[in-house]
Amino acid sequence: QVQLQESGPGLVKPSETLSLTCTVSRGSVSSGRFYWSWVRQSPEKGLEWIGYIYYSGSTNYNPSLRSRVTISLDTSRNQFSLKLTSVTAADTAVYYCARDSAPSRWYVWGQGTLVTVSS
Amino acid sequence: EIVLTQSPGTLSLSPGERATLSCRASQSVSSDLAWYLQKPGQAPRLLIYDTSSRAAGIPDRFSGSGSGTDFTLTISRLEPEDFGVYYCQQYSSPYTFGQGTKLEIK
Repeated sequence: QVQLQESGPGLVKPSETLSLTCTVSRGSVSSGRFYWSWVRQSPEKGLEWIGYIYYSGSTNYNPSLRSRVTISLDTSRNQFSLKLTSVTAADTAVYYCARDSAPSRWYVWGQGTLVTVSS
Repeated sequence: EIVLTQSPGTLSLSPGERATLSCRASQSVSSDLAWYLQKPGQAPRLLIYDTSSRAAGIPDRFSGSGSGTDFTLTISRLEPEDFGVYYCQQYSSPYTFGQGTKLEIK
């Protein structure tokens, strides 16, 4: 069974860039027709889909975040990453990485990582 | 963006009872709806997709129904591990979630 693990800074300053990595074990980001996604959860907004990258490299982002989000694959490290620029307190959330064979639902999830935006 | 509204906000039931959770969409999502269960400190777990298909490993006491704008998740006989927060989610981009129904032990 594939496993996902998020990593990255737990504290980011306002206006800076949030960067997270999801490390994939017992599976490969470049094989199989899977969608690799990011979802976040905050008390204020609940669960919010951020975007996905397909194994081929194509992406789709939530329009509400599109201008600030980049999701990329690193096949050499078997990881995929999230970058969110110009963060504010509203970006404080638990960030999850997830995977499925469909772009719009998620069977496998990481455990989540809390990112706080604060000076 | 499609808004999903779940009801009730909280449902208090005992193990062995039947649970019925509702999800209403602001516009038709056809059958493109999933249900998740989240327990404290854990990621959501996919239970049902495409309105009524159970995800791998999900017991048959969980069933989903509906189409268009009105959907239901039914748990026929509650087990202790079924308590937590249930979310519905639709998959017309941008994908959105409901606000959740907390199923608590009475």
